[in-house]
Amino acid sequence: QSVLTQPPSASGTPGQRVTISCSGSSSNIGSNYVYWYQQLPGTAPKLLIYTINQRPSGVPDRFSGSKSGTSASLAISGLRSEDEADYYCATWDDSLSGPVFGGGTKLTVL
Amino acid sequence: EVQLVESGGGLVKPGRSLRLSCATSGFTFGDYAVSWFRQAPGKGLEWVGFIRSKAYGGTTEYAASVKGRFPISRDDSKSIAYLQMNSLKTEDTAVYYCTRAPGITMVRGRRYYFDYWGRGTLVTVSS
Repeated sequence: QSVLTQPPSASGTPGQRVTISCSGSSSNIGSNYVYWYQQLPGTAPKLLIYTINQRPSGVPDRFSGSKSGTSASLAISGLRSEDEADYYCATWDDSLSGPVFGGGTKLTVL
Repeated sequence: EVQLVESGGGLVKPGRSLRLSCATSGFTFGDYAVSWFRQAPGKGLEWVGFIRSKAYGGTTEYAASVKGRFPISRDDSKSIAYLQMNSLKTEDTAVYYCTRAPGITMVRGRRYYFDYWGRGTLVTVSS
């Protein structure tokens, strides 16, 4: 059972905009930055969004993050087939004194 | 180019030990914390633990599931971090990843995130 809650799956068609939610609590999302990771099939996770809405170099601006209270969201616009992957949200948990992750959302591009 | 390469995985019997290494290049290793994660087959990511840089005491933190069994260490002269895995259990079977962990100082303390990941090494615990 993950500390952060994500939907297990999401889907969209090419060109569409999809959002993935991540729900936490006051001890984690509510008081810390949120990060998003993309894991393509058979590969290691890759940092996609950091400190809520910053993108590392090379990550297209089709990806954006937001946070409100104890929830966060990842939005992907102009969906492409290569976006098919597992997406994980993460943050720090003040009560656990360590990082916590969501269970992951498998994005399917139809 | 920042690189992290894990090694040392393999098949091991329950109760035995294994040491994983994380060789790094492309950045000043001593300036960063290093963290370990694992991912059981078909499952999500699980944080294992991390070791702070020497500037922040070189101290360690662990997930409850491995605390006391999986000590993490680092050799800044070689730019390598280690995960010593003792008293292994079948449920420790997973791909193990090491990551670079930049820190951010916030009001409540220093927080870490994980910007570069190695490709992982598979550890299988089975009799």
